[in-house]
Amino acid sequence: DTGVSQNPRHKITKRGQNVTFRCDPISEHNRLYWYRQTLGQGPEFLTYFQNEAQLEKSRLLSDRFSAERPKGSFSTLEIQRTEQGDSAMYLCASSLGQGFTEAFFGQGTRLTVV
Amino acid sequence: RKEVEQDPGPFNVPEGATVAFNCTYSNSASQSFFWYRQDCRKEPKLLMSVYSSGNEDGRFTAQLNRASQYISLLIRDSKLSDSATYLCVVNSNSGYSTLTFGKGTMLLVSP
Repeated sequence: DTGVSQNPRHKITKRGQNVTFRCDPISEHNRLYWYRQTLGQGPEFLTYFQNEAQLEKSRLLSDRFSAERPKGSFSTLEIQRTEQGDSAMYLCASSLGQGFTEAFFGQGTRLTVV
Repeated sequence: RKEVEQDPGPFNVPEGATVAFNCTYSNSASQSFFWYRQDCRKEPKLLMSVYSSGNEDGRFTAQLNRASQYISLLIRDSKLSDSATYLCVVNSNSGYSTLTFGKGTMLLVSP
């Protein structure tokens, strides 16, 4: 499968614990995005990388959230001290090019904080 | 005003019907527009890009009205398999090629 891959697919954690998600984009794609989606809402932008540089972060992204893309390939999203409000689907997407092009999404990681 | 606004629906239509969705966006400088489709508990998938001149892909037609800042999607001869949520997407105010999604419009096609 050469699409965007996300792991794990599901994560249940206790409030206060740290969690880390991984995204492997389509191999030649230079851009990588993280989104969060809750029931009945569209995906909300969290952060964006071009190669290894994190170029944009949403105001939604509190200090408890951090994302990395160390070698311009895969990316990780870490949430520290999880709260029940963090429960959501976390979607990763990638795209190719300099101008704006379509983004391809992974199947997401569904996080439940109990 | 929200960056991208859509009627959440649901739109309930019989098979074979024609249905149209509209979407409005707030940033007049937006350059790129898309319709994505999202099935229940699945990831969004690109349905079609929206070009200034309008574009058609089979039963689907997308239109862009820059003056009024809205985008439309027309689905002709609806199929049961068209049942999904349709997400309107524009590039955001940030200018870094990020996508801003509407909340989506749910379509339910019945036999």
